[in-house]
Amino acid sequence: DVKVTQSSRYLVKRTGEKVFLECVQDMDHENMFWYRQDPGLGLRLIYFSYDVKMKEKGDIPEGYSVSREKKERFSLILESASTNQTSMYLCASSSGQNQETQYFGPGTRLLVL
Amino acid sequence: QKEVEQDPGPLSVPEGAIVSLNCTYSNSAFQYFMWYRQYSRKGPELLMYTYSSGNKEDGRFTAQVDKSSKYISLFIRDSQPSDSATYLCAAEGTGGFKTIFGAGTRLFVKA
Repeated sequence: DVKVTQSSRYLVKRTGEKVFLECVQDMDHENMFWYRQDPGLGLRLIYFSYDVKMKEKGDIPEGYSVSREKKERFSLILESASTNQTSMYLCASSSGQNQETQYFGPGTRLLVL
Repeated sequence: QKEVEQDPGPLSVPEGAIVSLNCTYSNSAFQYFMWYRQYSRKGPELLMYTYSSGNKEDGRFTAQVDKSSKYISLFIRDSQPSDSATYLCAAEGTGGFKTIFGAGTRLFVKA
């Protein structure tokens, strides 16, 4: 059974802080994704990675960076958190041969004050 | 215009009703179409996917894609309170890694 875990369920940070969100998957998936989910806007892709040390920008990469040093781990970094980054952050993974099936983590609800 | 449009609802139905959830899309290159279900405080989970046009049935759920009208549908027969969730449609082209999601429709099934 595929499992995607995220380091925190809830986070409260202050404006300007550096924020790390970590995601780990246990199914040896090649592809990993970071989305944010906002009411009325659905899921929007921030960054994705199709291999270790590889990363590609999604639709809304501004203000974010990512790191993938190991295959199972994909980190999202908010260099200087702002209030408009308050959101639900979802990590997902998929295998290279079945990319239409993404497995999601439970999400991290981030509040930036 | 968003590439995948979905009415956010909420949609409230009595137990046992047939539910119809719909999305439209604008990109003719989309070939894979998915429905994800998301319970409160959980991540989305894949419910069904179809390739190109046609119907796909899985128990009480039927996914339908009409590429000529760029319309995606999910039908739920004999709806149950446990079906109460947000349903997200999604679409993807071939050769890429970017899945485009709709905003999600919140469904409530009343006992």
